[in-house]
Amino acid sequence: AQSVTQPDIHITVSEGASLELRCNYSYGATPYLFWYVQSPGQGLQLLLKYFSGDTLVQGIKGFEAEFKRSQSSFNLRKPSVHWSDAAEYFCAVGATWAAGNKLTFGGGTRVLVKP
Amino acid sequence: GAVVSQHPSRVICKSGTSVKIECRSLDFQATTMFWYRQFPKQSLMLMATSNEGSKATYEQGVEKDKFLINHASLTLSTLTVTSAHPEDSSFYICSARGQLNTEAFFGQGTRLTVV
Repeated sequence: AQSVTQPDIHITVSEGASLELRCNYSYGATPYLFWYVQSPGQGLQLLLKYFSGDTLVQGIKGFEAEFKRSQSSFNLRKPSVHWSDAAEYFCAVGATWAAGNKLTFGGGTRVLVKP
Repeated sequence: GAVVSQHPSRVICKSGTSVKIECRSLDFQATTMFWYRQFPKQSLMLMATSNEGSKATYEQGVEKDKFLINHASLTLSTLTVTSAHPEDSSFYICSARGQLNTEAFFGQGTRLTVV
């Protein structure tokens, strides 16, 4: 069975500083990986996804993520955070792209941005 | 991206009553819809997958008689929480995927409170 671990429950970062959110997955075959952001009381917005190809994936809002098969990781990064980036971030894995929306989510990382 | 609308965004109901939540794809035909449940400060847990015109497939531990899912058209799926109890209070989120989509799109979520 597939699983996702986000080791950091909370991260506090100063506005303008860089951000990295960790995600480790467990899956026997090539995973389909996603990062979502959720603002309080809202649904999920897709930041980026990895299916195949270039292991460095660019997303919206200046985010990027790097797939590292050897480390079973898919960490999310942003060079300079804005106050509006304060939210909950979820990493997710799917088995195939067709069933890839039957997703297994990590526990989430809450990002707080200090002025 | 494609738009998925969920209604209502918030609902309060009395214990023992039933409540229906709608999930609509506004600008695409959703061949598959997914229903998730999210407890406070926790991750999303998949409840069921529904394909248009077919019976929903429920995840292990989800009571199909309590959480009735109907996907009667390509743009609408409904989740009915029957005989609701306070422990059913949660945030329910749907997602929808079209046949040509490589990802599912999430609704805004519904906050259910059972009193």
